[in-house]
Amino acid sequence: EDKVVQSPLSLVVHEGDTVTLNCSYEVTNFRSLLWYKQEKKAPTFLFMLTSSGIEKKSGRLSSILDKKELSSILNITATQTGDSAIYLCAVDSNYQLIWGAGTKLIIKP
Amino acid sequence: DAMVIQNPRYQVTQFGKPVTLSCSQTLNHNVMYWYQQKSSQAPKLLFHYYDKDFNNEADTPDNFQSRRPNTSFCFLDIRSPGLGDAAMYLCATSRDLARYSYNEQFFGPGTRLTVL
Repeated sequence: EDKVVQSPLSLVVHEGDTVTLNCSYEVTNFRSLLWYKQEKKAPTFLFMLTSSGIEKKSGRLSSILDKKELSSILNITATQTGDSAIYLCAVDSNYQLIWGAGTKLIIKP
Repeated sequence: DAMVIQNPRYQVTQFGKPVTLSCSQTLNHNVMYWYQQKSSQAPKLLFHYYDKDFNNEADTPDNFQSRRPNTSFCFLDIRSPGLGDAAMYLCATSRDLARYSYNEQFFGPGTRLTVL
C-alpha cells in the first residue's frame, strides 16, 4: 500500500530559527512529490519535485528530493511568525496524490 | 485573478438533511477534485472529474455524489449527512490529469461543514 510519512508531526521554534521538515514515501509508481502550506484555509502549492538532487528555492523556503532515500526535505531559514502553518507533503503515485499527515509548525515571536 | 471559489465558506446542516456545496473555477482547468479533510488529517480524495468523466474513489460512501454541469462548476451533494461527515470540504483543480503531464493542484478556500 502506498504511503507518505512526514516528520516531525509538530514543531515549535523561535522566530529566526531554521527548520527542516521531512517527508518519506513508499509508493509503487513515483512521478512527483509536492509540498503544500496550509494555514487556516486550503493548501497552497509550494514546490513540485521530480528529479533527485535538484534544489527548488523560493525566498526562504527550499526543498530537495532524494529518490535513493525515498525522501524529501523542506527547509525554511530565518523563520517568521507568518510561517506558522501545517506543511503537507503529497506524492503522485499511479496518477493519484498520496498525502502525508502534515507537520504542524509553530513559530514563536 | 484566476482562482478556485467555494460557496458557502461555512455550512451548518441538520443530521440527515441534504446539503450541496459548490465550487467554481476561472482557471479553465480540465480536472476538478473534491477532498474531505478532518481535523489534523491529510485531505482525503472523494472523487474527481476529468472534463465530464466522473471518477469515484473506491472508499467514497454512496452518501456523497457530485455533479459537473460545465467546465467551470462542480457540486458536492451529501444526501444524508451524518455527524461523521462534519469536516472541511476542499475543491481543487488541475490543468490536466497527472498521467498526461506533471500538474499541481490548486485549491479553493474550502467549505467547513457542521452537522447538528
